[in-house]
Amino acid sequence: NAGVTQTPKFQVLKTGQSMTLQCAQDMNHNSMYWYRQDPGMGLRLIYYSASEGTTDKGEVPNGYNVSRLNKREFSLRLESAAPSQTSVYFCASSEGTGPYEQYFGPGTRLTVT
Amino acid sequence: QKEVEQNSGPLSVPEGAIASLNCTYSDRVSQSFFWYRQYSGKSPELIMSIYSNGDKEDGRFTAQLNKASQYVSLLIRDSQPSDSATYLCAVNIPPGNTPLVFGKGTRLSVIA
Repeated sequence: NAGVTQTPKFQVLKTGQSMTLQCAQDMNHNSMYWYRQDPGMGLRLIYYSASEGTTDKGEVPNGYNVSRLNKREFSLRLESAAPSQTSVYFCASSEGTGPYEQYFGPGTRLTVT
Repeated sequence: QKEVEQNSGPLSVPEGAIASLNCTYSDRVSQSFFWYRQYSGKSPELIMSIYSNGDKEDGRFTAQLNKASQYVSLLIRDSQPSDSATYLCAVNIPPGNTPLVFGKGTRLSVIA
């Protein structure tokens, strides 16, 4: 049981480049989330998927797109990376939205130069 | 406005002491409360959940919930240097089908 996995672990992009962060969970969870974490800012929700086939914006969605590929996989795409998107990105999953604990992946450290 | 507030710290305690971490939240009807531990450079790890008023104990950790006062606390007894981390509080704030709201975390430093 790997839990929540993320790829890549580290990435350096130049401004304007695009990339996709991948996330997968093997806990048969319905809901999945993408967060970014910056020093002093805490975890900020970018997008979430309450169930397969649905996605919703979180607190900071601008500059990002998501795809819930199937029940296991939820990807985050940066179409044109900006230095302001330098951050650590965490994927999480839970049984459902609402009063359920979330389980986090190991994170992706992204630097945009 | 959904809010979960934590003192950012750092909270420094000597080894063997009790560390007390506090969290307040904005909505009186919140039902589910979680504590996460995050070591530097790592992802958040769930350590406690609490749903009812009162205390819930798990080893050296005790979560305390007071819904009337809208706060939840985490006590760490016999603190160890390995407890040094950032502790995040997360609350399910209605409506019930929205994601958890996370506080920004309190940094705990246990001094040997």
